[in-house]
Amino acid sequence: DAGITQSPRHKVTETGTPVTLRCHQTENHRYMYWYRQDPGHGLRLIHYSYGVKDTDKGEVSDGYSVSRSKTEDFLLTLESATSSQTSVYFCAISQDPSGNTIYFGEGSWLTVV
Amino acid sequence: AQKVTQAQTEISVVEKEDVTLDCVYETRDTTYYLFWYKQPPSGELVFLIRRNSFDEQNEISGRYSWNFQKSTSSFNFTITASQVVDSAVYFCALSGGADGLTFGKGTHLIIQP
Repeated sequence: DAGITQSPRHKVTETGTPVTLRCHQTENHRYMYWYRQDPGHGLRLIHYSYGVKDTDKGEVSDGYSVSRSKTEDFLLTLESATSSQTSVYFCAISQDPSGNTIYFGEGSWLTVV
Repeated sequence: AQKVTQAQTEISVVEKEDVTLDCVYETRDTTYYLFWYKQPPSGELVFLIRRNSFDEQNEISGRYSWNFQKSTSSFNFTITASQVVDSAVYFCALSGGADGLTFGKGTHLIIQP
């Protein structure tokens, strides 16, 4: 199994509060991703990173920011959580997405009340 | 833009039946990769297979087989002699570059004993 750890795994938070999800990898992969999974939508890309301090937006980036100060860590921040951000969040990693498999973490269940 | 369509939202079969999950994709890239992932009730995403666009050979792995047809932009997945443990949501995904995977919405497969 790919060495990917997501934290926290489960969180309940109130509307308007900031939330940070952490993804930590031990594989030294260059690429890291944050996806959200919602019923009827499959998985959708929020942000991705192609190196330290190099990030870009995905399909559903509004309301989210990311940071990558070290190869092994990719943080996803909800500056002011809303109920529409209640979801399951998956981190993923890849050495090189053009040919290599993308592996997923176990997911973080976030509920915004 | 890339797109993956899994038209079957839910399939229910009786154990030991064969079942095929359909996946149709759209891309303008000449080089791309196709994936299948399994998501069991526990929630994690398990990698099953990766195919590149230049390799149209069908692949068999135990009870699983995959049929890639570039002419119809399809990458279908067949489970032979299904078992209850095959019950899961299955995702087809397409990768064309650094911005990760484009997922279909998934097919929920129910294997009844």
